[in-house]
Amino acid sequence: AAGVIQSPRHLIKEKRETATLKCYPIPRHDTVYWYQQGPGQDPQFLISFYEKMQSDKGSIPDRFSAQQFSDYHSELNMSSLELGDSALYFCASSPATAGGFIYEQYFGPGTRLTVT
Amino acid sequence: DAKTTQPNSMESNEEEPVHLPCNHSTISGTDYIHWYRQLPSQGPEYVIHGLTSNVNNRMASLAIAEDRKSSTLILHRATLRDAAVYYCILVGWETSGSRLTFGEGTQLTVNP
Repeated sequence: AAGVIQSPRHLIKEKRETATLKCYPIPRHDTVYWYQQGPGQDPQFLISFYEKMQSDKGSIPDRFSAQQFSDYHSELNMSSLELGDSALYFCASSPATAGGFIYEQYFGPGTRLTVT
Repeated sequence: DAKTTQPNSMESNEEEPVHLPCNHSTISGTDYIHWYRQLPSQGPEYVIHGLTSNVNNRMASLAIAEDRKSSTLILHRATLRDAAVYYCILVGWETSGSRLTFGEGTQLTVNP
């Protein structure tokens, strides 16, 4: 079965640089979530999109922005990178969450970002 | 957000059942109880979820207390591959939307 695809899998950037992470959800999933997991920490919710509109926002720094495109893939753009941004970034997708039912989320393998 | 409480760690032997407890005394009436697990160096993986009734799937069973203030994830026969951090998460439109709020979880060790 098709899974969530994330690219790149590894990324090394220097401080103050910009990074773009991409997420391709499971086909027919129209909701995408982004999570950040720092070293030794639990995943933290950043932001989510439903039908190309931002649906929820968590502890995402102002330096980060994200969007969902017409083909439902999503990109997380990170600017002015700091050492503390070094983390695993996971994307997850789920079927439509309309109608009051909350579906399970399927996670990608993550992008490991290292800021030096 | 409604909080959950789980033991930091648990240990089991291979091929034995494992019962992972979760307390959620402040659960809202519309909150679903979701369980995810995270194997080392992998993304979280959905395990099971329920609202009021006990649930079974190919991976596990979920037993929900009648007052919904606690639940137990049951792995019927633990394998080495089940060694992971298990997260009990409450999800509900009125409290947290559809986002997952990960707590500290339970680190499950499976001994051969």
